Amino acid sequence: EVQLVESGGDLVHPGGSLRLSCLASGFTFSRHDMHWVRQPTGKGLEWVSTITTSGDTYFPRSVKGRFTISRDNGKNSLFLQMNSLTAGDTALYYCTRGALGFCSGGSCYGKDAFDVWGQGTMVTVSS
Amino acid sequence: DIVMTQTPLSLPVTPGEPASISCRSSQSLLDNDDGSIFLDWYLQKPGQSPQLLIYTLSFRASGVPDRFSGSGSGTYFTLNISRVEADDVGVYYCMQHIDFPYTFGQGTKLQI
Repeated sequence: EVQLVESGGDLVHPGGSLRLSCLASGFTFSRHDMHWVRQPTGKGLEWVSTITTSGDTYFPRSVKGRFTISRDNGKNSLFLQMNSLTAGDTALYYCTRGALGFCSGGSCYGKDAFDVWGQGTMVTVSS
Repeated sequence: DIVMTQTPLSLPVTPGEPASISCRSSQSLLDNDDGSIFLDWYLQKPGQSPQLLIYTLSFRASGVPDRFSGSGSGTYFTLNISRVEADDVGVYYCMQHIDFPYTFGQGTKLQI
């Protein structure tokens, strides 16, 4: 069964740090780009980070310079290191898999759609 | 950043009736190299993680009923449900991933 299981969420003080983990199973982890998406309670979805199969990383301005994404293909694991946390970072953090997609007739489809989601891990930043 | 705007934000529906959700992007999501449109639709059912419904504008994800369809072009997109069922309730999100930062719409709450 294809599965993503997040862990590491906790209550942390403003200015603190936290490291989230995501353990993947049931698929060849190294072949997929991986992503983090967060959702404040009762609100919408926000993309947080991407790491490609080649190790390139991307972040929105809201977390750039504070968050780091990494992966360990040998352990089928994805990580999100979060520093200088603020109340605005309080959210449920999801690990998601980027689809491989397919190509046909000169066009490619589905690449990096978020086709598998974990159950999320809660991060609360509060004094 | 590409801004994604969904309408309506709330959609009361009657089982068996059709439903339609719109999504507009502030820039074209058309990849000029291969003609693909990098627009996906997700459904978050109550108490659950989001799930992929539609990718690359109009392709249904595995296991998604053919009652769901996606269409559009360039900057205007639509998710259609031909006959709403009770299990379809939840919040629907569009998302663009043609360019970083990837961005989601605000979400449309479908309620029976």
